Amino acid sequence: TQLLEQSPQFLSIQEGENLTVYCNSSSVFSSLQWYRQEPGEGPVLLVTVVTGGEVKKLKRLTFQFGDARKDSSLHITAAQPGDTGLYLCVGLWGNTGKLIFGQGTTLQVKP
Amino acid sequence: ETGVTQTPRHLVMGMTNKKSLKCEQHLGHNAMYWYKQSAKKPLELMFVYNFKEQTENNSVPSRFSPECPNSSHLFLHLHTLQPEDSALYLCASSQVLASGGSNTQYFGPGTRLTVL
Repeated sequence: TQLLEQSPQFLSIQEGENLTVYCNSSSVFSSLQWYRQEPGEGPVLLVTVVTGGEVKKLKRLTFQFGDARKDSSLHITAAQPGDTGLYLCVGLWGNTGKLIFGQGTTLQVKP
Repeated sequence: ETGVTQTPRHLVMGMTNKKSLKCEQHLGHNAMYWYKQSAKKPLELMFVYNFKEQTENNSVPSRFSPECPNSSHLFLHLHTLQPEDSALYLCASSQVLASGGSNTQYFGPGTRLTVL
């Protein structure tokens, strides 16, 4: 069974602070995606990382794929209240198109 | 309308009721999905339809019955549900490539279901 362990599950911080969310597995993934889900909405894709060691930046968000393609991290610099939401990591397993979902990290950024 | 739409957005039903959830995608994708999202649990894939054919049914109880009349529409028929079925039900679509590879899911806003 493929699992994606996401941590922390809940994070409450003040505006301006930095944070990192981790996504770990014992399985190797073809690619890994990060989604953000705002209250009352469905998840929206933020980024896809494909190559081991890859780093992608999206404004204040930095995504990294582990060298072995088993783990990933999301770092947010100077968090804003608009960053509040549920962050999901999703691994694409093999060439079957099968997606493995992490439990999600609920982020609350207080003004 | 663009993207993936779902109706209704909220639904409250008794255990003896019969209701249906509707999903429509306007993206020209060839695959559609139903997910269940419960608090503190990973998204649970329920059903997958690829080119209108059901390709996956993840041991979902028979009180949930999917229907995919065409590649743009997906329904989830509900009957004799239990209170533990209360959750957010998300529909998604994607363009599945024959070669596999990236499978980006485009989600609808979900239907918040409460079973009394």
